[in-house]
Amino acid sequence: DQQVKQNSPSLSVQEGRISILNCDYTNSMFDYFLWYKKYPAEGPTFLISISSIKDKNEDGRFTVFLNKSAKHLSLHIVPSQPGDSAVYFCAASAQGGSEKLVFGKGTKLTVNP
Amino acid sequence: GAGVSQSPSNKVTEKGKDVELRCDPISGHTALYWYRQSLGQGLEFLIYFQGNSAPDKSGLPSDRFSAERTGGSVSTLTIQRTQQEDSAVYLCASSFVGGATGGEQFFGPGTRLTVL
Repeated sequence: DQQVKQNSPSLSVQEGRISILNCDYTNSMFDYFLWYKKYPAEGPTFLISISSIKDKNEDGRFTVFLNKSAKHLSLHIVPSQPGDSAVYFCAASAQGGSEKLVFGKGTKLTVNP
Repeated sequence: GAGVSQSPSNKVTEKGKDVELRCDPISGHTALYWYRQSLGQGLEFLIYFQGNSAPDKSGLPSDRFSAERTGGSVSTLTIQRTQQEDSAVYLCASSFVGGATGGEQFFGPGTRLTVL
């Protein structure tokens, strides 16, 4: 049973527009959520995180929103840049991130110039 | 500073052979994790070491898989009698648990294992 779901395997947006990547989770014990970006032949790179005590965290062009009642989070990238083209993984953890991460299957983002 | 390093970067082996994959975590990180990513899948947790505590082995898919972490630093993941379904990218990550960073895990580049 998949505890973290990214239902869109791919997303294509124009440079300068907003990219919105979505993630749903089922385990109510999760209290820490992260987004990772992955380029081919490289390991995932940490992007941004959010604790369950917050509903929004912003870092530059990246903002993560958390809706606990809906068990849903989203990553907004604005403005999108061609260098943002990568696979984005949503991950969740219990106990404030000190436990193992449970990953979604990823969404491949393509930003077209 | 240096990130997480893994070796080898690629490993091709024959079915039935044993393989060892190595991970050097970031210096000072107390926690070390192994994950694998099969084709078209997300990252799948395998095993987690934290300090001197007993490792969390709950993700190991079979008893052919084992891992150790020597001296609280370097870790080796061993797969015995490899099978074709073991083919995947094996990723190691480390983190500093208990710090202000929230435990973000930093990943190495991975070892791509191909079992023929």
